[in-house]
Amino acid sequence: DSGVTQTPKHLITATGQRVTLRCSPRSGDLSVYWYQQSLDQGLQFLIQYYNGEERAKGNILERFSAQQFPDLHSELNLSSLELGDSALYFCASSGTENTGELFFGEGSRLTVL
Amino acid sequence: DQQVKQNSPSLSVQEGRISILNCDYTNSMFDYFLWYKKYPAEGPTFLISISSIKDKNEDGRFTVFLNKSAKHLSLHIVPSQPGDSAVYFCAASVSPFGNEKLTFGTGTRLTIIP
Repeated sequence: DSGVTQTPKHLITATGQRVTLRCSPRSGDLSVYWYQQSLDQGLQFLIQYYNGEERAKGNILERFSAQQFPDLHSELNLSSLELGDSALYFCASSGTENTGELFFGEGSRLTVL
Repeated sequence: DQQVKQNSPSLSVQEGRISILNCDYTNSMFDYFLWYKKYPAEGPTFLISISSIKDKNEDGRFTVFLNKSAKHLSLHIVPSQPGDSAVYFCAASVSPFGNEKLTFGTGTRLTIIP
């Protein structure tokens, strides 16, 4: 158990819809990261938040947005969903130790039909 | 453009033998490299890392080698055990802290044959 909690674990929705994925980081971790893993692909970095502020941005589509709340949990909002958005979405957190280690949640599997 | 490449999607190794997983990268700005291991229905877990100032890092049965001139790193597992069967991801970062904006490879599925 990494200590990172993601909900929901599975989500099936239709094209054009909007969904919200939620992540609770490990206790005390200030950084939250979102990654997308499509079929047979590596994990693609989407966005990082540190203590409520956006820290780094990757290849995140304009239809996607994220935020980190004062209690440090984070939400990833995906809108106008397309078939190609079907993927595993991972949240990870890291602490203040600069070891390079990220702690990943189990992921949220999104299926867009 | 895949900046971190794992060209072997799968690898099978006899239990007790050495497993060697390879990773190539193209971005010379990468400063820190990590290996993550992933079991089905779980998130990736950190395995071992190496800074670009080193060429080897060892942790128990796991050793990572870095060849900067060739932009190549490898993970050696010896001896291989059935519990090592998983997908292994190579990752790289331009940050000296290594935890920002990781770029992952596509993974190699390692199967250890009893």
